[in-house]
Amino acid sequence: KQEVTQIPAALSVPEGENLVLNCSFTDSAIYNLQWFRQDPGKGLTSLLLIQSSQREQTSGRLNASLDKSSGRSTLYIAASQPGDSATYLCAATRRGPPCTGTASKLTFGTGTRLQVTL
Amino acid sequence: SAVISQKPSRDICQRGTSLTIQCQVDSQVTMMFWYRQQPGQSLTLIATANQGSEATYESGFVIDKFPISRPNLTFSTLTVSNMSPEDSSIYLCSVEGQGASYNEQFFGPGTRLTVL
Repeated sequence: KQEVTQIPAALSVPEGENLVLNCSFTDSAIYNLQWFRQDPGKGLTSLLLIQSSQREQTSGRLNASLDKSSGRSTLYIAASQPGDSATYLCAATRRGPPCTGTASKLTFGTGTRLQVTL
Repeated sequence: SAVISQKPSRDICQRGTSLTIQCQVDSQVTMMFWYRQQPGQSLTLIATANQGSEATYESGFVIDKFPISRPNLTFSTLTVSNMSPEDSSIYLCSVEGQGASYNEQFFGPGTRLTVL
């Protein structure tokens, strides 16, 4: 059974700092790994998706890496801003058997709650 | 990407009643997913809903408690039946992206349920 862990659980940094959020998973047979952002009481916004064959993905100030062999992914946020304050969730996807119509299943980590202060 | 809306956005309900949550997608999708996020917890998959067939429930979730409908390729409902305070959660629906967003999952804004 896949287990996904995120460290740290909470992080507070001053504006402008670069920071790294960590995600580890126990089963390396993942199909992809996805990073989400969740604002308080809201739904999830997809940030980055890394396929199992990829090593990293970049979008603006965000860079996500994936190392399947070690069961780790990191989300790097450059030049943090107060608007980046949110909870960041990673989710490892396991694909169902081909041609069975079985859906992908996401296993979520518990999240890192980020606070960027002025 | 897919645009997903949910109704209601939030509700406060009495113990023993039922609430039906609607999820609407702006494009046709094969599978829709329902998740629960209990206070301070991460997301847990409740069930997967295919159009025209019964939903597939995850361990710990049963159809009598969480009946799901999937009448067409853009719409689904989740009912939380005979509610208790332990059902207080955010309920989210999600879909897999199409085309260039294939394999990426997109989520609705969630329904925040409080059971008194």
